[in-house]
Amino acid sequence: GQSLEQPSEVTAVEGAIVQINCTYQTSGFYGLSWYQQHDGGAPTFLSYNALDGLEETGRFSSFLSRSDSYGYLLLQELQMKDSASYFCAVRDQGQGGKLIFGQGTELSVKP
Amino acid sequence: KAGVTQTPRYLIKTRGQQVTLSCSPISGHRSVSWYQQTPGQGLQFLFEYFSETQRNKGNFPGRFSGRQFSNSRSEMNVSTLELGDSALYLCASSSGTGTDTQYFGPGTRLTVL
Repeated sequence: GQSLEQPSEVTAVEGAIVQINCTYQTSGFYGLSWYQQHDGGAPTFLSYNALDGLEETGRFSSFLSRSDSYGYLLLQELQMKDSASYFCAVRDQGQGGKLIFGQGTELSVKP
Repeated sequence: KAGVTQTPRYLIKTRGQQVTLSCSPISGHRSVSWYQQTPGQGLQFLFEYFSETQRNKGNFPGRFSGRQFSNSRSEMNVSTLELGDSALYLCASSSGTGTDTQYFGPGTRLTVL
């Protein structure tokens, strides 16, 4: 079946750069998305990679390599407000297009 | 545009009862998806409705059901509640194409006692 693997926790300091990896196993998918969720809040969309390569949106970048079944979210110039959970997700073609989420990575940014 | 709204925000029920949760999508969005979020299982897909039809379904028992109305508002129902149904239930709306972004509501926190 399909699955997405992410580290459960990552800790970094303010101003640093952190990379959150996502490896996946699906029969085919439309693209890789990333969502951010603050404690007690709703997930919010961060980025989407339909094609291999790097997508940059301000301090956040996301990368996809279909041949390696791998993607990552890169957060630069970390701020305290970046402390949140980050989820990768794919819309699985083999599952009728339903959105499958990873278990989430809890990022803690320390001063 | 107004965001996705969910009602109620908090709910306490006892085992065996049933519950109905409501979701109003962003205006113009035709797809509504429902997710269950628990600390141990993360975000689990329940089902997706598009133009009043269930388009996808996750691996949940038949006690979980849903529907969508002609105005795209959606409800999900859980019958014969179990303790393990305690979770945050999130709905998300989107335009409904294969690569679209999901816009999540604030969720309904269900506690089953």
